[in-house]
Amino acid sequence: DGGITQSPKYLFRKEGQNVTLSCEQNLNHDAMYWYRQDPGQGLRLIYYSQIVNDFQKGDIAEGYSVSREKKESFPLTVTSAQKNPTAFYLCASRGEAANTGELFFGEGSRLTVL
Amino acid sequence: AQKITQTQPGMFVQEKEAVTLDCTYDTSDPSYGLFWYKQPSSGEMIFLIYQGSYDQQNATEGRYSLNFQKARKSANLVISASQLGDSAMYFCAMRGFNTNAGKSTFGDGTTLTVKP
Repeated sequence: DGGITQSPKYLFRKEGQNVTLSCEQNLNHDAMYWYRQDPGQGLRLIYYSQIVNDFQKGDIAEGYSVSREKKESFPLTVTSAQKNPTAFYLCASRGEAANTGELFFGEGSRLTVL
Repeated sequence: AQKITQTQPGMFVQEKEAVTLDCTYDTSDPSYGLFWYKQPSSGEMIFLIYQGSYDQQNATEGRYSLNFQKARKSANLVISASQLGDSAMYFCAMRGFNTNAGKSTFGDGTTLTVKP
């Protein structure tokens, strides 16, 4: 079935370590997104990419990095510069051909910094 | 720039009654899309309904309808005949089609609790 796969689902890391969250989609969508969600809060945009080899900073990009070398993949690296990385991370994609342009989401990755 | 404001952190509704969740927005783009998503306690995000800024009629999808008032920059979600399964967090979102093309911005959400 087509969809978005995020891994790992749960991740623990020590302070000062970088960690990379994977996001893969087989929907043939052009645009991909990363959001951060803190408990009881809304989604805040970290980075987004509308086409391969191009991406833009969202509202809270500091301490994060991304790459978009393939259409199917949009990994997010949480660097040691991110002061408070413990959160729920959601990846999404959007197909340009879709009239409504709604986002399709993965199941999320929950990162805990020990 | 674009911004979504949801002023109701939590709402309660009796089963089978209707409920309105508020959403106001601000954008510099002349054309844009407005969306509502549902997030149950499991964490998944479910798309509910879409309204284009130039659509003449309010969008409807089953029990969901969007009360779009462009002059007031509001896009309220109306859920009719509430069910226990409607208990979840609801997010309003928008995406500009011009300066903010591609950027999808979300509000802080409203937690809806349906009482039996």
